[in-house]
Amino acid sequence: DTEVTQTPKHLVMGMTNKKSLKCEQHMGHRAMYWYKQKAKKPPELMFVYSYEKLSINESVPSRFSPECPNSSLLNLHLHALQPEDSALYLCASSQGPGIWELFFGEGSRLTVL
Amino acid sequence: GESVGLHLPTLSVQEGDNSIINCAYSNSASDYFIWYKQESGKGPQFIIDIRSNMDKRQGQRVTVLLNKTVKHLSLQIAATQPGDSAVYFCAEKRWAGGGADGLTFGKGTHLIIQP
Repeated sequence: DTEVTQTPKHLVMGMTNKKSLKCEQHMGHRAMYWYKQKAKKPPELMFVYSYEKLSINESVPSRFSPECPNSSLLNLHLHALQPEDSALYLCASSQGPGIWELFFGEGSRLTVL
Repeated sequence: GESVGLHLPTLSVQEGDNSIINCAYSNSASDYFIWYKQESGKGPQFIIDIRSNMDKRQGQRVTVLLNKTVKHLSLQIAATQPGDSAVYFCAEKRWAGGGADGLTFGKGTHLIIQP
């Protein structure tokens, strides 16, 4: 299994809603990442987990809350988002810290109304 | 600002021709670069990578060239096919000290294949 699976593929939420994005990989990778990608822009790093511990938080607002329940799963909890948070949220994994070939999922396209 | 950037936002080539996508970087200490392809509606897909101790690396129909003197790298795609239509990003390793690293992406070049 060489896939990173993200759910849901599409999500529409209001500014008062609470929702979660989920990411799963079964490649035994020990580093997992959340990236945000706006239309016609490159992906921007949000969070990095290494061995299930948060190692990088790129000054992301607290309305985004990551969670890594185990080495295969990565969640992004969303609360009180703004319309400008609408974007494609990409999950990626790599074999471990210091291994930079990232495997990306297809992304979750989020629309905040 | 971004240390990895691309010269052209859009590149249009004839099917069968070779494509060259360029990328400049500013950090002379950067020691690893990677090219990704992103098709519409999909996540980025690894193409090829290169370390700073190399000048050239070849894959299947792709070649990456690294010129450390001018801090420039390029991706060459031979005999471009319709399936090569995508946005191509160069990326460099983030140096995050003792923590896990991520990648910093350049702006991207949209490769359009003309029939």
